[in-house]
Amino acid sequence: EDQVTQSPEALRLQEGESSSLNCSYTVSGLRGLFWYRQDPGKGPEFLFTLYSAGEEKEKERLKATLTKKESFLHITAPKPEDSATYLCAVQMRNNDMRFGAGTRLTVKP
Amino acid sequence: DGGITQSPKYLFRKEGQNVTLSCEQNLNHDAMYWYRQDPGQGLRLIYYSQIVNDFQKGDIAEGYSVSREKKESFPLTVTSAQKNPTAFYLCASSIMASSYEQYFGPGTRLTVT
Repeated sequence: EDQVTQSPEALRLQEGESSSLNCSYTVSGLRGLFWYRQDPGKGPEFLFTLYSAGEEKEKERLKATLTKKESFLHITAPKPEDSATYLCAVQMRNNDMRFGAGTRLTVKP
Repeated sequence: DGGITQSPKYLFRKEGQNVTLSCEQNLNHDAMYWYRQDPGQGLRLIYYSQIVNDFQKGDIAEGYSVSREKKESFPLTVTSAQKNPTAFYLCASSIMASSYEQYFGPGTRLTVT
């Protein structure tokens, strides 16, 4: 069965404390893996697309990486404004998309 | 200013009533999607459309209906047959259905009592 699992469910960090969020997947053929940020009560905001193992993308304090089984979203020296839920989604060969349940990140000043 | 708009932001209905959620995009995207988001769960696909006048069921289409008469618009009707309609509904669009990121609207929170 196609599955996307994000861990941890929730993460609390102090400002400046770097960490990583994990997205592991078991799907029948990967077309692309997408990371989104979602603030409470709002729609997800697109961050990155990764297509093949070994690929990396960066934006400000965020860096996304991809292997054959999982993706990591690394957050370097986070700030309180980075607090949000981060969603991972995997698009399969048949174009179906599977979303993980998300990691709720809280960054304390 | 390109984007996706959903209206209304909050919607309240009595059980047994049908309700239609609006989704409009001016990004010139071919593909449009409707998702449902419930606490602690990933987004689940209700319906999607790759082109005008064509749409396909997603994983949880029962109790919902859609139309795609114009490229810009993809309204979702939540019918009285939907057993648990209270949820946060998200509309998205992408350039095409394959290998392209989806862009989301702000969402509509539907409460049915």
